Amino acid sequence: NAGVTQTPKFRILKIGQSMTLQCTQDMNHNYMYWYRQDPGMGLKLIYYSVGAGITDKGEVPNGYNVSRSTTEDFPLRLELAAPSQTSVYFCASLARVVVGADTQYFGPGTRLTVL
Amino acid sequence: EDKVVQSPLSLVVHEGDTVTLNCSYEVTNFRSLLWYKQEKKAPTFLFMLTSSGIEKKSGRLSSILDKKELFSILNITATQTGDSAIYLCAVGGGAQKLVFGQGTRLTINP
Repeated sequence: NAGVTQTPKFRILKIGQSMTLQCTQDMNHNYMYWYRQDPGMGLKLIYYSVGAGITDKGEVPNGYNVSRSTTEDFPLRLELAAPSQTSVYFCASLARVVVGADTQYFGPGTRLTVL
Repeated sequence: EDKVVQSPLSLVVHEGDTVTLNCSYEVTNFRSLLWYKQEKKAPTFLFMLTSSGIEKKSGRLSSILDKKELFSILNITATQTGDSAIYLCAVGGGAQKLVFGQGTRLTINP
């Protein structure tokens, strides 16, 4: 298993451009998450999904959109990029949410700079 | 609003020292508390705690949870330079989400 994979690893955008961050997992996990991590900070949840066709907002959803058409893929779309979206983006997945099974598996991250 | 607070935010010690990292939380419907280690890339899982007073241990690292006082500690004994990292505490609360603290940046000097 490759686990959770993310592309691209790095990207520089100009203000107002759009892009899609890709996330794929091959563990057949139902739950998937997008986080952003600003320098010196912890992770903040952007969006999450509990299964194909179902998504919900996290703590900081403004400026982003997601879709979940398959179990494997959970792309994150940035529309009209702004400097405040400069961050490292992590995708994570989880098999199921029960006591004793909260461990989320993280992808390697995408470092995005908006100039 | 769910909240996780870690302290200290930054810690510098010498190799061989013992360190204690703190995590306090306020979340609805607590399920579990997790510790992650983050070096230059993605967080990697260390421990998950769900019950009070039970110590989880892995080599020189150990962690304990106090559900009554709503906090957890992560201890690292005989620290090594390879322990230098950001240590993240996360709590599973309402819905299917984890709430992360801001992390403790630990630096071990030789």
